This record gives sequence, structure tokens and C-alpha cells, in this order.
Amino acid sequence: QQQVKQSPQSLIVQKGGIPIINCAYENTAFDYFPWYQQFPGKGPALLIAIRPDVSEKKEGRFTISFNKSAKQFSLHIMDSQPGDSATYFCAASEVWTSGSRLTFGEGTQLTVNP
Amino acid sequence: EADIYQTPRYLVIGTGKKITLECSQTMGHDKMYWYQQDPGMELHLIHYSYGVNSTEKGDLSSESTVSRIRTEHFPLTLESARPSHTSQYLCASSDGPTSYGYTFGSGTRLTVV
Repeated sequence: QQQVKQSPQSLIVQKGGIPIINCAYENTAFDYFPWYQQFPGKGPALLIAIRPDVSEKKEGRFTISFNKSAKQFSLHIMDSQPGDSATYFCAASEVWTSGSRLTFGEGTQLTVNP
Repeated sequence: EADIYQTPRYLVIGTGKKITLECSQTMGHDKMYWYQQDPGMELHLIHYSYGVNSTEKGDLSSESTVSRIRTEHFPLTLESARPSHTSQYLCASSDGPTSYGYTFGSGTRLTVV
């Protein structure tokens, strides 16, 4: 079953808008919640991450909001630019015996129109 | 500039052929992973390794096999390619016991005809 559910599947905004991508999880053993950004022809790249004991984290124009009681987290992109057009994945990390593993959401294809 | 390299970038091959997708990293990371990415974007873990001579199957059943003889090298092999194996294959690595920061390669786009 999908352990991390992501929505929407696709999103189109105008330049300067604030796209919001949402994720929900069930497994309370997850200990980190990163977001990855993927451009066409490239692999995903780490964008920003948050621990479950923090409610918000900002890095530049990217902000993660985290609601531990609701088991939900979201990515906000302030003043979005056409260069932000990419696929975004939320993920959740779980510690296993020999290391940690990431479970990814289904991905959101973001288009920022000029 | 990538610290994790995948070759080839694109591969078109006939059904029944044996293929090996190469993945190498120069960061000394102990953990390496193979993901299969659907055309619809979703990433599925098919194999992972926490160190030399350690390999495990991931969440998605795969007919591929992997090996980890050297820290920097994690090749994926399909003994007999089928059209259902057509996909994008992404290799990644990480270090540390609780790392959530994976470094991904640019992927191999495999088409089996």
C-alpha cells in the first residue's frame, strides 16, 4: 500500500503564485520528511527536509509546514518562477536495522507559467 | 557535476537479451539504491545495499539482480529483458545511519522491443 500519499498529481500556477503540494502518511516510525525536485532528464535532488518535532522550515522560497497530529506535511513555493517547473516528490525516512530507507510520494508535476 | 554516474543514459534492446546497467559513485557512500520510475513519475525501490556484499530486494518485485563487490559500484542486471522491463532506472546513494539525503544519478532510460 502507498505509505506516503501526495496531491495534487499536477499543478499549474502563474509566475509569482504560491503552489502548495500536500502529503499524508500513516507510519509514525518515519523520522524525517524530505522533499525532492526532479527536472526532465535528471534524477531527483534533495530540496529541503524537516523533522517531525518542527512545525515549519524555510529555505529561501521553499517552506515545509508539518502537522504531526494530522500526519500531514506540505511544501509551499513562494514567488514561484518558471524555473521552478519540475516534478516534486515528498518522502519519508524510516530507520531500519542497517540504515534508513526513503518512501516516496507519487509526485506532483508543477508548471509555472511566465 | 554528478558524483554518481549511470551508464548508459539510453538503451534500446531486443527481447531476451541480457543487460547490465552501471552505477558508480565517487563519494564513498556505503548505501546504494536502485529505483524504477514509472512514466507517471512514481518511484519504486527495487534493490538496495548497505555495504559491500550486502544486497536486499526492495518493495517492488523485480526480475533484476544486483551485486555490490566494491563500495563505489552497484550494477543492475537483467538476464532476459522483456518489454515489461521498459522503464527509467535511477541509482542513488547515501551515507550515515539515518540519512534522508539521497544523491541520485541521471538515470538509464531502458526500452525493450
